[in-house]
Amino acid sequence: NAGVMQNPRHLVRRRGQEARLRCSPMKGHSHVYWYRQLPEEGLKFMVYLQKENIIDESGMPKERFSAEFPKEGPSILRIQQVVRGDSAAYFCASSPPPRGYEQYFGPGTRLTVT
Amino acid sequence: GESVGLHLPTLSVQEGDNSIINCAYSNSASDYFIWYKQESGKGPQFIIDIRSNMDKRQGQRVTVLLNKTVKHLSLQIAATQPGDSAVYFCAEKETSYDKVIFGPGTSLSVIP
Repeated sequence: NAGVMQNPRHLVRRRGQEARLRCSPMKGHSHVYWYRQLPEEGLKFMVYLQKENIIDESGMPKERFSAEFPKEGPSILRIQQVVRGDSAAYFCASSPPPRGYEQYFGPGTRLTVT
Repeated sequence: GESVGLHLPTLSVQEGDNSIINCAYSNSASDYFIWYKQESGKGPQFIIDIRSNMDKRQGQRVTVLLNKTVKHLSLQIAATQPGDSAVYFCAEKETSYDKVIFGPGTSLSVIP
């Protein structure tokens, strides 16, 4: 059973460009969570999604950030018009239904904005 | 507001010794606590969890203790090995909410 997969592992974008981060949950998992980690810091919750639904986006910045988890395909975290402050590691986690107590994390995407 | 924090940001132990990593939380409504291990360049890895109706839970070489009176959580690692070197995060969750709140982390270094 493959674990949570994220791609790309490393992403470099210039200021103003768009960044798309992908997450494929573990097989059978229908809950996806996105977290951001700045260097030397803990993980900050961003958003929780189920298939075709955003359940909790209380940690998402109000502008430029969006997330989706379509019926088919991976979950996508999209950052428009990136700025240097968006540079961080973005982790995706998945959990099985009915409720996400134990979350399994992917290897992360390291976004660098130049 | 809610917060989960760690008493010691770094910890160095001799190989073979026991390690204790501490964590304080302030949200008395949290009823589920998790310890994660994060190695350099990797995602957090689940170690052990405990629910608020328990005060101790043991795994393989690890024990988590929960003291709800003083809102304190600890992770004990027995016979620490070089492979235990990593950053350890405590995290908390309320049943009625979906997000997990992470503490800032403790870096554990094992001296061979």
